Amino acid sequence: DAMVIQNPRYQVTQFGKPVTLSCSQTLNHNVMYWYQQKSSQAPKLLFHYYDKDFNNEADTPDNFQSRRPNTSFCFLDIRSPGLGDAAMYLCATSVSRGGTDTQYFGPGTRLTVL
Amino acid sequence: EDQVTQSPEALRLQEGESSSLNCSYTVSGLRGLFWYRQDPGKGPEFLFTLYSAGEEKEKERLKATLTKKESFLHITAPKPEDSATYLCAVQAVPDSWGKLQFGAGTQVVVTP
Repeated sequence: DAMVIQNPRYQVTQFGKPVTLSCSQTLNHNVMYWYQQKSSQAPKLLFHYYDKDFNNEADTPDNFQSRRPNTSFCFLDIRSPGLGDAAMYLCATSVSRGGTDTQYFGPGTRLTVL
Repeated sequence: EDQVTQSPEALRLQEGESSSLNCSYTVSGLRGLFWYRQDPGKGPEFLFTLYSAGEEKEKERLKATLTKKESFLHITAPKPEDSATYLCAVQAVPDSWGKLQFGAGTQVVVTP
C-alpha cells in the first residue's frame, strides 16, 4: 500500500543534542510538509517542500531545518532541542500545492527532550 | 485573521448515543474544509473534504455537512471504535497555496 512512513516512531534526545527525524513516502507526491503538534493542540505547520522548493513558515524557529534529497525522502533537523520542542512531529504529503489536494499524514514521531 | 474553532473540546458518549461535533470558521473565502480522525499517538487520518455550503458526505457512521460559517460532523449510533480526536481544517481562498488551518480538535470517547 502506498503510504507515508516516519522513523523513528519515538525519539528521546538530550537538551541541546541535535536530532534528525525522517519521513519517506511511496505516494510519489510532489509536496511534503512538516508539522509540530503538542498535546491537545492543533498541528502547526513548520515548513513544506514543493518539489525542491523549500517554504518556511514565518514563525518557525531557526532551530528547525529541513532537507529533501529526493522526491521520496524528507528530513527534519532540530539543531539544539529545547524542552519546549518536545512534541509529536507529523509528516504529510499531497499531490500538488493549491487547489484542494488532500494532505496525507504519516504516523508521527514522538520527540522527548530530557 | 483566519480562525477555526471546534466545539466541544471533549465529548463522552454511550455506545449508540448519536451526537454532533461543530467546526466554525472565519475566512475571507473557503476553498475547502477537511475532516480528519486522529487516534492517540498516531497521525491524522483523512475522512472528508467539503467544498461548498449545502454539501454533505457520509462514511459508515459519520456524516459531514457544511454551511457558510460552520461544518458539523454527525456520529450516528457510535461504537467504542469511533473513539478518537476529530480535527477540522480549512483552506482559505486568498492563500496562494493550499495551506491548512487546523482547529484544536474534539476528543470523543464512546463507552460500551
